Amino acid sequence: GNSVTQMEGPVTLSEEAFLTINCTYTATGYPSLFWYVQYPGEGLQLLLKATKADDKGSNKGFEATYRKETTSFHLEKGSVQVSDSAVYFCALSGNTPLVFGKGTRLSVIA
Amino acid sequence: GAGVSQTPSNKVTEKGKYVELRCDPISGHTALYWYRQSLGQGPEFLIYFQGTGAADDSGLPNDRFFAVRPEGSVSTLKIQRTERGDSAVYLCASSLGPGGSGNTIYFGEGSWLTVV
Repeated sequence: GNSVTQMEGPVTLSEEAFLTINCTYTATGYPSLFWYVQYPGEGLQLLLKATKADDKGSNKGFEATYRKETTSFHLEKGSVQVSDSAVYFCALSGNTPLVFGKGTRLSVIA
Repeated sequence: GAGVSQTPSNKVTEKGKYVELRCDPISGHTALYWYRQSLGQGPEFLIYFQGTGAADDSGLPNDRFFAVRPEGSVSTLKIQRTERGDSAVYLCASSLGPGGSGNTIYFGEGSWLTVV
């Protein structure tokens, strides 16, 4: 079945550091890939998405590229801020509803 | 409202009791989803409605869990004979069309259920 594996947290970074959160997937066919974010006390929000191979999703300075050859969708940001502290979830959607990874907690300290 | 609305936001119930959780999706969204999120885990799929019918209920853990969407809008998740292991955040989501086709899925803030 479809599944998503993402790096375990927590991840703690200083402000302005470079962020990478790894995500790999297993799926039949050609799924769409997503990153969702959950800020403290808030619901899940879509951060970015990519619907086909080599697409790059981007939002709020975050980027992720759909790599079919490595079945990956790693999340990156060049310079994190304290306000980026949250839990990040990688997800895929194929012929089934969204399947999520376990989440990676990011803490950014000033 | 502008987003997916869930009530109650918090519910504490005794083991063995019956619970109903309500979801009001974004107006016009035909697809509605229920997920369950335990502490430290990602959301786990429970059931998906397209219109009034359950298109996929493969994630419901057992027959104590049931969901309805009688008019194709509001949905209710029903849990009978609650157990302590049912304690989790129950998330509702909706999308304009089927999520598998790349439609963005929007989540509510969830209903925290605690079974004591």
